[in-house]
Amino acid sequence: DTEVTQTPKHLVMGMTNKKSLKCEQHMGHRAMYWYKQKAKKPPELMFVYSYEKLSINESVPSRFSPECPNSSLLNLHLHALQPEDSALYLCASSQEITYSNQPQHFGDGTRLSIL
Amino acid sequence: GQQVMQIPQYQHVQEGEDFTTYCNSSTTLSNIQWYKQRPGGHPVFLIQLVKSGEVKKQKRLTFQFGEAKKNSSLHITATQTTDVGTYFCAARPRGGANNLFFGTGTRLTVIP
Repeated sequence: DTEVTQTPKHLVMGMTNKKSLKCEQHMGHRAMYWYKQKAKKPPELMFVYSYEKLSINESVPSRFSPECPNSSLLNLHLHALQPEDSALYLCASSQEITYSNQPQHFGDGTRLSIL
Repeated sequence: GQQVMQIPQYQHVQEGEDFTTYCNSSTTLSNIQWYKQRPGGHPVFLIQLVKSGEVKKQKRLTFQFGEAKKNSSLHITATQTTDVGTYFCAARPRGGANNLFFGTGTRLTVIP
């Protein structure tokens, strides 16, 4: 069982749709992350939030819009996606973003398909 | 940019055989973490290595961090079918924040 919960588990959407991915953790972690993972590839970092503020944006296109409403929740808003955006989207959390050593806890992911 | 390469990309072993995956970085690392991702699953944290030359063991798994802190290895003794999955090293560059760069991964198949 994962301590990071992601919804929905699967999402199929058209290129003109607007949808949101949700992530929740109740471990008291203050850093949260979005990753994108294509089949047979490693996870690629998209965004990092630290204490509810955007800390890192790895040059992600603006059609992906992250939001951190509070310390337990992380959203990823999707709009006008392209077929190549089809992937597994993973949320992760860690205690905090520092220069110390923090293992990351991953959710099960949302498998996104763009038609 | 940061690159972390893993070899081999794929490994098929007979159950009971040993398995090793190697992780190599072009830059000195602050630390290295290892994750396992089962087919259809999500990455699960296994261990973290911090010190130069560090060796850690978890039952049949042995993890090593190179003296120069640029490479690492994971060795599994007497593989079992439950070991199936993709093993990723994940590195944080020296002086970097908590953004991990995942290695390319090694997919392990264990033949019963």
